[in-house]
Amino acid sequence: GAVVSQHPSWVICKSGTSVKIECRSLDFQATTMFWYRQFPKQSLMLMATSNEGSKATYEQGVEKDKFLINHASLTLSTLTVTSAHPEDSSFYICSAADLAGVTYEQYFGPGTRLTVT
Amino acid sequence: GENVEQHPSTLSVQEGDSAVIKCTYSDSASNYFPWYKQELGKRPQLIIDIRSNVGEKKDQRIAVTLNKTAKHFSLHITETQPEDSAVYFCAAVTVGSGAAGNKLTFGGGTRVLVKP
Repeated sequence: GAVVSQHPSWVICKSGTSVKIECRSLDFQATTMFWYRQFPKQSLMLMATSNEGSKATYEQGVEKDKFLINHASLTLSTLTVTSAHPEDSSFYICSAADLAGVTYEQYFGPGTRLTVT
Repeated sequence: GENVEQHPSTLSVQEGDSAVIKCTYSDSASNYFPWYKQELGKRPQLIIDIRSNVGEKKDQRIAVTLNKTAKHFSLHITETQPEDSAVYFCAAVTVGSGAAGNKLTFGGGTRVLVKP
């Protein structure tokens, strides 16, 4: 299957600082990338959907000014958590899909564990 | 929007027995139903999926059934092995619904423990 990478795999930051997470599709062009957040022992919750060259569509309850998403190319999307607080500590996972193709599948990155102290 | 419910939340089975996980969905427009296995701290892995024009699909020890009328689908794992222990998620999505769609809505997850 297709390969999606995320960087960093884990990050610790101080409260009030910003953190950027990168999501890359390594061997295909992703028309759409999705960002999820997963708290311990919970399901994946979609935060936003980003299409290359367009503004991201955020799910209800997700602050777009706090979670900045950029999808500047068909292989790279970034999520920036601004002014992070301890309650933002979570496992952030991206997925990528080529919705112009014939497959329905989304390919997941390995996730980034964010800890805000 | 779509709502997916998954049961049970935990499932303990003896090695060699079968495991069944059930999901229901609310949006009749949903047309693609993947199942994922997630081990602790790792990414979800697609293990099987089914499209709405198919009622059943099987891949070795794993099978999925879909009842569109009742809006529910199930995962069946036969001859369970200790390495099947993980959290399993069902999901539903409406593919082809434009930029606002194609979103995976996940069920709450089932923690499966296979006892040797």
